[in-house]
Amino acid sequence: QKEVEQNSGPLSVPEGAIASLNCTYSDRGSQSFFWYRQYSGKSPELIMSIYSNGDKEDGRFTAQLNKASQYVSLLIRDSQPSDSATYLCAVTASGYSTLTFGKGTMLLVSP
Amino acid sequence: DTGVSQDPRHKITKRGQNVTFRCDPISEHNRLYWYRQTLGQGPEFLTYFQNEAQLEKSRLLSDRFSAERPKGSFSTLEIQRTEQGDSAMYLCASSFGGWNMNTEAFFGQGTRLTVV
Repeated sequence: QKEVEQNSGPLSVPEGAIASLNCTYSDRGSQSFFWYRQYSGKSPELIMSIYSNGDKEDGRFTAQLNKASQYVSLLIRDSQPSDSATYLCAVTASGYSTLTFGKGTMLLVSP
Repeated sequence: DTGVSQDPRHKITKRGQNVTFRCDPISEHNRLYWYRQTLGQGPEFLTYFQNEAQLEKSRLLSDRFSAERPKGSFSTLEIQRTEQGDSAMYLCASSFGGWNMNTEAFFGQGTRLTVV
């Protein structure tokens, strides 16, 4: 059973702070890793993808991957109230055919 | 093309009735995925198509569920004899190729099913 684990939260941070979201996965053969943002009642929206160990930065977002530790994280710098949402970590099974999601971490950014 | 389109957006049905949902993917996308999401959970994989071929089905997909993509374009997901446990958001996603570094998959807005 391939699993993706996330702390359900909520994670509360003040506006302007760094939010750190974490995810672990069980399938050592996983190749691709994604972070989706989901607002209440809406569909998931891709915000970051990462495929190799290390950091990947895109604007205020940084994804970090450590395959040896089976760990992927998302940092959001200068958090804004509009970042308040559930963040889903997703991992491809070996062979790229399906995407397995975690339960998501709810982030609350207070003004 | 404005993205992945799902219809209807909301469906309320009585237990035991059949329902059918439609997904129109982005036109050049050859892969189409169905996911189900319940409150407080992440999306759970149901099935996917490459062109018209259904290549994988989750064990979550009971015999009451059937999906088709007859011409490799739009897809339908039918649930027969609905149960209250079927109440969920049904999400469709499409991509050109699989979930890898060379492609990006897009989700539709979902169909929210409520079984009463």
